[in-house]
Amino acid sequence: SYELTQPPSVSVSPGQTARITCSGDALPKKYAYWYQQRSGQAPVLVIYEDSKRPSGIPERFSASSSGTVATLIISGAQVEDEADYYCYSTDSSRNHGVFGGGTKLTVL
Amino acid sequence: QVQLVQSGAEVKNPGASVKVSCQASGYTFNHYGITWVRQAPGQGPDWMGWITTYNGNTNYAQEVQDRVTMTTDTSTSTAYMEVRSLRSDDTAVYYCARRRGTDSDGYYFDYWGQGTLVTVSS
Repeated sequence: SYELTQPPSVSVSPGQTARITCSGDALPKKYAYWYQQRSGQAPVLVIYEDSKRPSGIPERFSASSSGTVATLIISGAQVEDEADYYCYSTDSSRNHGVFGGGTKLTVL
Repeated sequence: QVQLVQSGAEVKNPGASVKVSCQASGYTFNHYGITWVRQAPGQGPDWMGWITTYNGNTNYAQEVQDRVTMTTDTSTSTAYMEVRSLRSDDTAVYYCARRRGTDSDGYYFDYWGQGTLVTVSS
């Protein structure tokens, strides 16, 4: 079955740039999406269609996708950005949704 | 504003069934699909499937397709997901979410319910 691969953890100091990658064979054909999940809460969409930011999401969140790798970038990470981040996409054959394993972002 | 409100927590014995509801408001219900995602304790989210609300078409994840049924009631803007033959590893928070996107580009979820904890234990 289709898989999206993320690093388990990323750690940065406040004000630094955090980069979280997501690799998947179908990403050249399907959009990547990014969700933020704080403990005990539902996921929140922070990036859609590879690089678009929903209204209400801070400008420090951006993303790109090239070939089989999508990247979430948090410029000037803040303590409140500490959360789990999941990439999401669909497979190219059955249109089934797939989440990456998640990356725990630590900002300290 | 768009809201998805789910039913309350459930405790079930192994082998039983559970049906979770998700009532939508703030948008035209049959203009968007509904997806269901579950998250076991300490794990990441798992996509379970989705339903196209205007025609009832469904697409289920292979891991659950034999035990899950997704339905909608457009008269009350409510989606339902039933899981049968529950096992201990079905213990999870179950989320509904509004589906957007297309077949060609892929689907995603913009608004989520608050989640429903289903505990399977004898």
